[in-house]
Amino acid sequence: QVQLQESGPGLVKPSETLSLTCTVSGGSISSFHWSWIRQTPGKGLEWIGHIYYSGSTNYNPSLKSRVTISVDTSKNQFSVKLSSVTAADTAVYYCARTYSGSYYDCWGQGTLVTVSS
Amino acid sequence: DIQMTQSPSTLSASVGDRVTITCRASQSISSWLAWYQQKPGKAPKLLIYKASSLESGVPSNFSGSGSGTEFTLTISSLQPDDFATYYCQQYNSYPWTFGQGTKVEIK
Repeated sequence: QVQLQESGPGLVKPSETLSLTCTVSGGSISSFHWSWIRQTPGKGLEWIGHIYYSGSTNYNPSLKSRVTISVDTSKNQFSVKLSSVTAADTAVYYCARTYSGSYYDCWGQGTLVTVSS
Repeated sequence: DIQMTQSPSTLSASVGDRVTITCRASQSISSWLAWYQQKPGKAPKLLIYKASSLESGVPSNFSGSGSGTEFTLTISSLQPDDFATYYCQQYNSYPWTFGQGTKVEIK
């Protein structure tokens, strides 16, 4: 059974870059799309973007200028970088397997990232 | 962006009740809709995809229907494990968007 686990700093300073990695275990990262989604009490669930194992990406236009998603098939990992963060980027960040780039059939447990000095 | 609006925001119900949650899209999304269940402190869990297809392992008391702009999630007989927050998500047009959630509480 596929499992996903997010990792990365839980505290990021304003104007810096948030970086998270999702490690996929119990299955191959190949032949699937992989997504980052975040959740805040105010805005709810927000799709950040997704990547196909081959490296092609789609991003939410609201974040596109600041976000980069990458994949490392040799490590069965994919990552997100969000630059120039502000307090509004404080959220629980989830990684998820994305069936045909559409809906999310397997999720990581989520990791809280707080943006604060 | 396609706006997804769920109603009600909160629903109080008892074990055994039939529960219906509505999700409306700001424009047609055909049947490209998924439903998720989320419990406090946990990630969402996929229940339904393509508006009415039940994800493997999800109890059959969950069902989805609708197409175009109006969709429903029905729990035919509410069980204690079903008290949670439910979200819809459209995947017809980028960016994918979610409803704001419907919390199902114990009456």
